[in-house]
Amino acid sequence: NAGVMQNPRHLVRRRGQEARLRCSPMKGHSHVYWYRQLPEEGLKFMVYLQKENIIDESGMPKERFSAEFPKEGPSILRIQQVVRGDSAAYFCASSPGNPGHEAFFGQGTRLTVV
Amino acid sequence: DAKTTQPTSMDCAEGRAANLPCNHSTISGNEYVYWYRQIHSQGPQYIIHGLKNNETNEMASLIITEDRKSSTLILPHATLRDTAVYYCIVRANTAVTGANSKLTFGKGITLSVRP
Repeated sequence: NAGVMQNPRHLVRRRGQEARLRCSPMKGHSHVYWYRQLPEEGLKFMVYLQKENIIDESGMPKERFSAEFPKEGPSILRIQQVVRGDSAAYFCASSPGNPGHEAFFGQGTRLTVV
Repeated sequence: DAKTTQPTSMDCAEGRAANLPCNHSTISGNEYVYWYRQIHSQGPQYIIHGLKNNETNEMASLIITEDRKSSTLILPHATLRDTAVYYCIVRANTAVTGANSKLTFGKGITLSVRP
């Protein structure tokens, strides 16, 4: 059973470009969470999704950021018109829908904006 | 979700048990205690979780006090590879409260295992 897969592992974008980060959850997991970790800082929750549904986006910046988890395929975190401050590690985690279950994290995507 | 309080850092000798404390005095009856760790800049790694009873798995043991206001993660034989930031997190039981089951990370405790 493969773990949570994130790609790409490293992404370089110029200011103003779009960044698309993908997260494939573990088999059988229907819940996905996205987190951001700025250099030398802690993990900050961004958004929580179920298939075709956003459950909690309280940690998402109001502009330029969006996330989706379609019925088929991976979850996508999209950042439009990237700025240098978006440079960070972005982690996703997945879990089953049942309560009291652990969430497993991927190895992250390191986004560098130049 | 209830907040947790952890010391900033601690160290232990390789081969010895590492006991990592966590206070969660405002925990509710339906909230679980989770432990994760992050080694360098890797993705957080799940360690263990529990509700009321003590738990043990191949990585660690979790001891929860009877009043559930604090807990201790025990790594029985620490190795150099256990050097990491360890996070104690309290997380709601979604089936009971219907609340979001996100994990909220604090600053954690930096464990340094010395040779």
